[in-house]
Amino acid sequence: QSVLTQPPSVSGAPGQRVTISCSGSSSNIGSGYEVHWYQQLPGTAPKLLLSGHNKRPSGVPDRFSGSKSGTSASLAITGLQAEDEADYYCQTYDNRLSASVVFGGGTKLTVL
Amino acid sequence: QVQLQESGPGLVKPSATLSLTCTVSGGVLTNYYWSWIRQPPGKGLEYIGYAYYSGSTNYNPSLRSRVTISVDPSKNQFSLNLRSLNVADTAVYYCARGIGSSWDVWGQGTLVTVSS
Repeated sequence: QSVLTQPPSVSGAPGQRVTISCSGSSSNIGSGYEVHWYQQLPGTAPKLLLSGHNKRPSGVPDRFSGSKSGTSASLAITGLQAEDEADYYCQTYDNRLSASVVFGGGTKLTVL
Repeated sequence: QVQLQESGPGLVKPSATLSLTCTVSGGVLTNYYWSWIRQPPGKGLEYIGYAYYSGSTNYNPSLRSRVTISVDPSKNQFSLNLRSLNVADTAVYYCARGIGSSWDVWGQGTLVTVSS
């Protein structure tokens, strides 16, 4: 059971906007730690999609954006494309666990 | 462009020790965190730990008693030792480079199966 809670799956039609939530607690997201998002295409290694404060690595389109409020964070994808179909993971630190790194359980995005 | 490549055995017996190496090419170890993250088949990502280039370490509390991560700047490599393996340790093991608090470069991953 993950420290960070994500919905197991979300779906949307091409062109639509979808959001993926990442729910934590006062010991992780609520403590002000940065939240990062990773995209894992089928059969490949995870790739950094967004780093804290909504920074996109080179090559990541601005259709991807992140936000954080209180003990939760969200990833928004606008103008959904077939190539966005993947698993998405949030990640931060947790100060109850000796400042250990924690991941969300992952969300499978299906493009209808 | 920095690239990471994992190497090690694909099959290990229960109770044995897993040793994996990650070779860093196109960059140096200085000023980064070097991490191991694993993914059991069909499941999510699990943080194992990291070593800073200076040698300081941070481990997942649930694995701390069995894990050692070390850095070898002379070879531009870092390694993972995981002791007392059991079938639940079967996973794809990824090495990754950490900057700030995120991981920006990942290896392709190597599947390790624990079985007798």
